[in-house]
Amino acid sequence: DTGVSQDPRHKITKRGQNVTFRCDPISEHNRLYWYRQTLGQGPEFLTYFQNEAQLEKSRLLSDRFSAERPKGSFSTLEIQRTEQGDSAMYLCASSLVTGGQVGEQYFGPGTRLTVT
Amino acid sequence: AQSVTQPDIHITVSEGASLELRCNYSYGATPYLFWYVQSPGQGLQLLLKYFSGDTLVQGIKGFEAEFKRSQSSFNLRKPSVHWSDAAEYFCAVDSGGYQKVTFGTGTKLQVIP
Repeated sequence: DTGVSQDPRHKITKRGQNVTFRCDPISEHNRLYWYRQTLGQGPEFLTYFQNEAQLEKSRLLSDRFSAERPKGSFSTLEIQRTEQGDSAMYLCASSLVTGGQVGEQYFGPGTRLTVT
Repeated sequence: AQSVTQPDIHITVSEGASLELRCNYSYGATPYLFWYVQSPGQGLQLLLKYFSGDTLVQGIKGFEAEFKRSQSSFNLRKPSVHWSDAAEYFCAVDSGGYQKVTFGTGTKLQVIP
């Protein structure tokens, strides 16, 4: 198993453009999470999926943000009409939850977004 | 709402010295508690976690943490720091075990020779 992977690792875009990030979780994991981390801060929860169902969205996730996990495997996070305030590291994590047992979250390396 | 406070933004220790990183949480019941480490360009790595049971938890890389309910604290310790421990450390809390984790703002550890 190669762990959680994210693509791209870095993205520079101009304000107003749309961007899409991809996350590939550990293959047997049924939960997938997105976080955002700005400079000097800890990661902030954005949303998570159980299989293909999006179960919770943070108030941080404005209408310009959308996340999908169409087949319960990889996930995409799209930001429309990017703003400079969207510049951050976007982290993906996955975990296996079975029978109510809480499993460890494994994090990917992140996608660093810079909006100019 | 759950929250985490890491009062020390930056700590410098000498190699071989002991280390304690502070973490205080706010939550009404017994939370799930975590410590993560983040090295430059690397993803977050879980050092240790507390769910229940023994309040002193052992983790990887020689780290341990102690859950103190009366102080709402979960401080991270290491008896002898190595230069490779220089990184940023995040304390985190999950209120319901549903893994909606809230992170602290982090403590950046510098290790000097």
